[in-house]
Amino acid sequence: AQSVSQHNHHVILSEAASLELGCNYSYGGTVNLFWYVQYPGQHLQLLLKYFSGDPLVKGIKGFEAEFIKSKFSFNLRKPSVQWSDTAEYFCAVKGNTGGFKTIFGAGTRLFVKA
Amino acid sequence: KAGVTQTPRYLIKTRGQQVTLSCSPISGHRSVSWYQQTPGQGLQFLFEYFSETQRNKGNFPGRFSGRQFSNSRSEMNVSTLELGDSALYLCASSATGLLNSPLHFGNGTRLTVT
Repeated sequence: AQSVSQHNHHVILSEAASLELGCNYSYGGTVNLFWYVQYPGQHLQLLLKYFSGDPLVKGIKGFEAEFIKSKFSFNLRKPSVQWSDTAEYFCAVKGNTGGFKTIFGAGTRLFVKA
Repeated sequence: KAGVTQTPRYLIKTRGQQVTLSCSPISGHRSVSWYQQTPGQGLQFLFEYFSETQRNKGNFPGRFSGRQFSNSRSEMNVSTLELGDSALYLCASSATGLLNSPLHFGNGTRLTVT
């Protein structure tokens, strides 16, 4: 069965600090990987996605993620966070068996101190 | 293009009642997925519909059901409500529902069961 594990439930950083959020997944077939973000009071939106090719993908607002197939990981990174990055971040995997359903991790709440 | 619209935004029901939630996907999107979001649990997959057919179902009891209409609008029904059903219910649409088709979320319906 598909599963997604996010290592940190809560992260507190100061502005300009670097960010790395861990994500590991369990799935036996072909997968596409996503990070979604939910800013306070807003709906979930896509941050970035990996389908194939270059394992380092770039998303909106300076975020990037690296797919490491051997480690079943898709960690999210940002070199320098801003107060406006305060949000909840969800890693998600969509597989090609079981009808393309998207499974989400439990989420990581990031709070950036100004 | 209008986003995913969910109605109502808030609902308060008592135990034993039933409830119907509605979702209008982005115009042209044929796949609609439903999720239950609770603190600490992340997003739990309920079901996914494509062209009026349920393609996937999560691990929820039979009290949770849904359907999709020919115009791709979807409804979700929960019967015999329990206190534990209190949650934010999210609807998401995607263009094709295929592997590389990301989800677009609505703002959700917050259900409180008393």
